[in-house]
Amino acid sequence: EDKVVQSPLSLVVHEGDTVTLNCSYEVTNFRSLLWYKQEKKAPTFLFMLTSSGIEKKSGRLSSILDKKELFSILNITATQTGDSAIYLCAVEALDSNYQLIWGAGTKLIIKP
Amino acid sequence: NAGVMQNPRHLVRRRGQEARLRCSPMKGHSHVYWYRQLPEEGLKFMVYLQKENIIDESGMPKERFSAEFPKEGPSILRIQQVVRGDSAAYFCASSPLPAGFGGYTFGSGTRLTVV
Repeated sequence: EDKVVQSPLSLVVHEGDTVTLNCSYEVTNFRSLLWYKQEKKAPTFLFMLTSSGIEKKSGRLSSILDKKELFSILNITATQTGDSAIYLCAVEALDSNYQLIWGAGTKLIIKP
Repeated sequence: NAGVMQNPRHLVRRRGQEARLRCSPMKGHSHVYWYRQLPEEGLKFMVYLQKENIIDESGMPKERFSAEFPKEGPSILRIQQVVRGDSAAYFCASSPLPAGFGGYTFGSGTRLTVV
């Protein structure tokens, strides 16, 4: 059965710290991996990763995919309280690519 | 462009009542997806609709749940005779192209509480 596992489930750090969130997957016919940030509003898109070893970067956030070891990491440097959110990882499969397979999310809390 | 609009934001229903959740996709998007998020779980796919057609409802419970996306108006997710286990956040997403090509844009969700 296809699955996506995120770790840790929750994380509390202080402002300024760097965090690394993990997402591992077992999906037949992998197409892409997506990261979303969910606050009280809707999940907002962060990154889509399709190729191994190519880092995607947006400000203090970056992400990379390892298709051999079947995982991705999301890094946030110099964290701010506004980074507090649930970070969701989802995987698309080639043969059923509208049925995103979601991880349970990592709840990140940034303390001032 | 107002994005994907869901309403109501919060909905409280007593057991046995009906819940109607609405989703207006982004302008130009004719593909709508409904997801349910239970506490400490990821989003679970429920149903994929195009205008006037249900493309895939494999993630939707067989009983009490139904969805539609009429030619005019929003997509509706309808839950009849709600039970406590239906309490969850329901998210809608839309895309401009079939099967999620072009990316998904999510609405803010409807939090359903069954008392």
